[in-house]
Parts: sequence; C-alpha cells; structure tokens
Amino acid sequence: NAGVTQTPKFQVLKTGQSMTLQCAQDMNHNSMYWYRQDPGMGLRLIYYSASEGTTDKGEVPNGYNVSRLNKREFSLRLESAAPSQTSVYFCASTLELGGETQYFGPGTRLLVL
Amino acid sequence: QQQVKQSPQSLIVQKGGISIINCAYENTAFDYFPWYQQFPGKGPALLIAIRPDVSEKKEGRFTISFNKSAKQFSLHIMDSQPGDSATYFCAASILGSARQLTFGSGTQLTVLP
Repeated sequence: NAGVTQTPKFQVLKTGQSMTLQCAQDMNHNSMYWYRQDPGMGLRLIYYSASEGTTDKGEVPNGYNVSRLNKREFSLRLESAAPSQTSVYFCASTLELGGETQYFGPGTRLLVL
Repeated sequence: QQQVKQSPQSLIVQKGGISIINCAYENTAFDYFPWYQQFPGKGPALLIAIRPDVSEKKEGRFTISFNKSAKQFSLHIMDSQPGDSATYFCAASILGSARQLTFGSGTQLTVLP
C-alpha cells in the first residue's frame, strides 16, 4: 500500500498561471482533505470531501477549486496563481468523515513567482 | 483567529531529557486533541491523541496531559532521542464537524546526541 500519494513534489509557477495538484489514496477511504502549511501557521484546511461526489470549503478556500474525481482521487486547482499561494500543500484522507486519524501525503511544495 | 496556540516555537533538548510542548485552546466544544509528528520532507503522522474525559494518556515514551479547566494540553516526551527530532503539531477538533482539525503553529524539536 502506498497510502496517500501526491504529484508533483515540487512546482514553480509564475503569477497568473494555473495548475492542478493531484492526490490519490489506496486505503479505500471515503473522506479526503487538502491543507496548506505555512511557516508559523500550522496546517490550514482548504477544502474537504466527505465522500465521492461531495466537496466543502474549509478555512482558506479562496483562490482554489477542488474535484473529487472518484473515491481514490481528490485534486486541487489553482486557476490563477498568486505569490500568496506559495506554500506546501498536503492531502489527507480518513476512513469516514469524522474519522479520528487523518493520513497525510508527502506534500507538494509550490513556489509562485 | 488562531484557536489553538502552541509553544514553544522551537525546543532543544539533550538526549535522555524530557521534551515538553504546550498547547492552549479557546473553543470549549473541542473534544478530540491529537498530536502529529512531522519529519522533514514528509507529511504529518498521528502520534498520540486524547479525549477530554481523561487527564492523561501514555503511549511508550509519549504522554499527553490534559487540563480541561485550564483549556490546556501538553505533550511530554520522556528519554528524548535524536530520532525524535521533528516538528510537532497539536490539533483539536469537534465531533460531528467533519473532524476539521485546527492545528497549532508547530514546535521544531531538536534532540542533541
């Protein structure tokens, strides 16, 4: 089992460019999450998906969109990247919404110039 | 608004010493308090967690102490080892709220050999 995988590992964008961060889990989990991690601020929830076909906003959703493609995959899209979106992005999953243990991927480091 | 405050920001401990990281929360509705451990280049991983109906939980060298009246909880690492060097995040969540984790800002622990 690979657990939670994320691609790419690192990306550099110019302001205004778009990109999609990919996340997949092979644990048959129903719920998936996207976080961003910034120095001194811990992890903040961007969006989450309780189950296939549903998505909800978290604490910091502005500037992002998500797609729950199927049970395994949950993507995060930046339509027009801004320097303020420079961060490390983590995807996580839990067996069920409300599950106590969240399993995190290795992260995507994004730099927006 | 930071609902979970974590201190210290960084901590240096000698091998064999005790590492103590503190967190304070504001929202009395929180009912689940996990600690996550993150090594460089990796995603956070659940280390230990506690519910407010107990004052202490121990797993090996790791102990959570919980003070409901003071709205504080702490992580104690006994006999700290160089392999414990990592960033530690406290977090809190509410049952029934999709388990949206509110994270502290993190503590970078360095254990000197």
